[in-house]
Amino acid sequence: NAGVMQNPRHLVRRRGQEARLRCSPMKGHSHVYWYRQLPEEGLKFMVYLQKENIIDESGMPKERFSAEFPKEGPSILRIQQVVRGDSAAYFCASSPPSGETQYFGPGTRLLVL
Amino acid sequence: QKEVEQNSGPLSVPEGAIASLNCTYSDRGSQSFFWYRQYSGKSPELIMFIYSNGDKEDGRFTAQLNKASQYVSLLIRDSQPSDSATYLCAAPNAGGTSYGKLTFGQGTILTVHP
Repeated sequence: NAGVMQNPRHLVRRRGQEARLRCSPMKGHSHVYWYRQLPEEGLKFMVYLQKENIIDESGMPKERFSAEFPKEGPSILRIQQVVRGDSAAYFCASSPPSGETQYFGPGTRLLVL
Repeated sequence: QKEVEQNSGPLSVPEGAIASLNCTYSDRGSQSFFWYRQYSGKSPELIMFIYSNGDKEDGRFTAQLNKASQYVSLLIRDSQPSDSATYLCAAPNAGGTSYGKLTFGQGTILTVHP
């Protein structure tokens, strides 16, 4: 049973470009969460999604960031017009329908030049 | 006050000793708590979760929860150098339900030296 998958594992973008991060939850999991870990800082919640629905986006920056979890395919975290401050590790986690425990993927390390 | 706060560390213990990691939380409605381990450059790995007051044991790990004091701890017995990592305490913020976003403490860096 494969775990949470994320790709790419490393992503380099220049300022002003777009970054797309993908997450496939564990088999049987229907809840997806995105977290960001800035250098030397803790994990911060960004957004919680179920299929075709955003449940909680209270941690998402107001501009440039968006997330989706379509009926088919992976969840996508999209960052438009990236800035150097977006450089961080972005982790996706998933949980089963009971929603009790969250399991993390390997993360995407975004570097903005 | 931060919602989830961990003892700042870093914590250094000799191999074979007991490592004690502590966490306090501000939301009295929190019903469950999670301990994750994160090796440098890696993703968080779930090692324990606890819902009820008292102790929960899993191998060398024991989680302790005291809801009256809003305090949760993790004890690692017979510490090994491979236990050296950052330990993250987390609580869900969904009105006391067991799912939804997790709020993490800042983490405690544990070093186990031979």
